[in-house]
Amino acid sequence: QKEVEQNSGPLSVPEGAIASLNCTYSDRVSQSFFWYRQYSGKSPELIMSIYSNGDKEDGRFTAQLNKASQYVSLLIRDSQPSDSATYLCAVFSGGYQKVTFGTGTKLQVIP
Amino acid sequence: DADVTQTPRNRITKTGKRIMLECSQTKGHDRMYWYRQDPGLGLRLIYYSFDVKDINKGEISDGYSVSRQAQAKFSLSLESAIPNQTALYFCATSDPGVGAFFGQGTRLTVV
Repeated sequence: QKEVEQNSGPLSVPEGAIASLNCTYSDRVSQSFFWYRQYSGKSPELIMSIYSNGDKEDGRFTAQLNKASQYVSLLIRDSQPSDSATYLCAVFSGGYQKVTFGTGTKLQVIP
Repeated sequence: DADVTQTPRNRITKTGKRIMLECSQTKGHDRMYWYRQDPGLGLRLIYYSFDVKDINKGEISDGYSVSRQAQAKFSLSLESAIPNQTALYFCATSDPGVGAFFGQGTRLTVV
């Protein structure tokens, strides 16, 4: 079992719709969770962090965390073509709190 | 100035040559990482370091070596470059309280 798993996609949504991206992790005691956006050929950029169960909203983005189910998700409301990118889930775990990235989900927003 | 700086940004080298990629950071983070990314694929971890005296192999360390010269500097070396090491390389730092931060990437081509 991979430490952090994501569906590779592509996930295609029409412009204006809600995009839902999902991530599961294996280390039950993980405490810190992040979402990154990566455009082709560019470095990943941090877009959301979440540490507690529940929802965290920032503009059009909402991160959701369920530690009991070991599940993190990212919702993008009113999706725009500029949101088309690969979204990476990152989880900090272990005694030294090493970060592990999922392989990413490619999102395509169709105009 | 970027918090995580990689040099060079682009490099073309010949098979069999030794090459060093350098990374420096002003984030003050102890944890540093080197990843490679091939087109259309996710990040693959080469080496990581929790501090100057703690260096660990990642999932694809064969053919690579690293040096942590200081808290702020982490270099990646290819002792004898081969064409299948052609890829985009990223350096990153991390702190579980704030996430991971990436350099701009080094595009390496081995001919």
